[in-house]
Amino acid sequence: QVQVQESGPGLVKPSETLSLTCTVSGDSISSYYWSWIRQPPGKGLEWIGCIYDSAKTNYNPSLKSRVTILADTSKNQISLKLSSVTAADTAVYYCARGIPVAYFDYWGQGTLVTVSS
Amino acid sequence: EIVLTQSPDFQSVTPKEKVTITCRASQSIGSSLHWYQQKPDQSPKLLIKYASQSISGVPSRFSGSGSGTDFTLTINSLEAEDAAAYYCHQSSSFPLTFGGGTKVEIK
Repeated sequence: QVQVQESGPGLVKPSETLSLTCTVSGDSISSYYWSWIRQPPGKGLEWIGCIYDSAKTNYNPSLKSRVTILADTSKNQISLKLSSVTAADTAVYYCARGIPVAYFDYWGQGTLVTVSS
Repeated sequence: EIVLTQSPDFQSVTPKEKVTITCRASQSIGSSLHWYQQKPDQSPKLLIKYASQSISGVPSRFSGSGSGTDFTLTINSLEAEDAAAYYCHQSSSFPLTFGGGTKVEIK
């Protein structure tokens, strides 16, 4: 059974870098696509980007200049870094497994990140 | 970027009623359209893949149809546990995108 768990600081100051980790168990991150998706409070879902084949990435153009997604295969983890954050980046951040390139079949529970001084 | 437009935004429905949610793509995406259900304070759950393919464990009252630019999610005989937000998602091209969501409330 695949399990996905996001972790990281729940509060980030404006202009700083948001850093989150997704820990996967029950599957190798070297398989499939692994995406980060976010959801501002009370709003819809926004795809941030994905990593596949352990190092290839694809980012949403709206965030591309600020996003880095990396994979650590030794720890079976995927990381997200989002730089120069503002209040508009306040959201629940999800890590999800994607069938290439199709649907998301396993999601983490999500982690709320608030951008505030 | 492919824009997905869902309608309605909100629907209040009586149990056992039929619910129809539509998702329109800004360009043809074939059958690369998937549906998710998100209950309050939960992560999204896959309901339908590739426009009309069922998912193991999902009740049979959920069905999907469509291709190209117009898609429909149907919930036959709505149950109280179906109160949730529903999202469509396209995987035809990057960036992957979602519809704005439809919130279904039980009367």
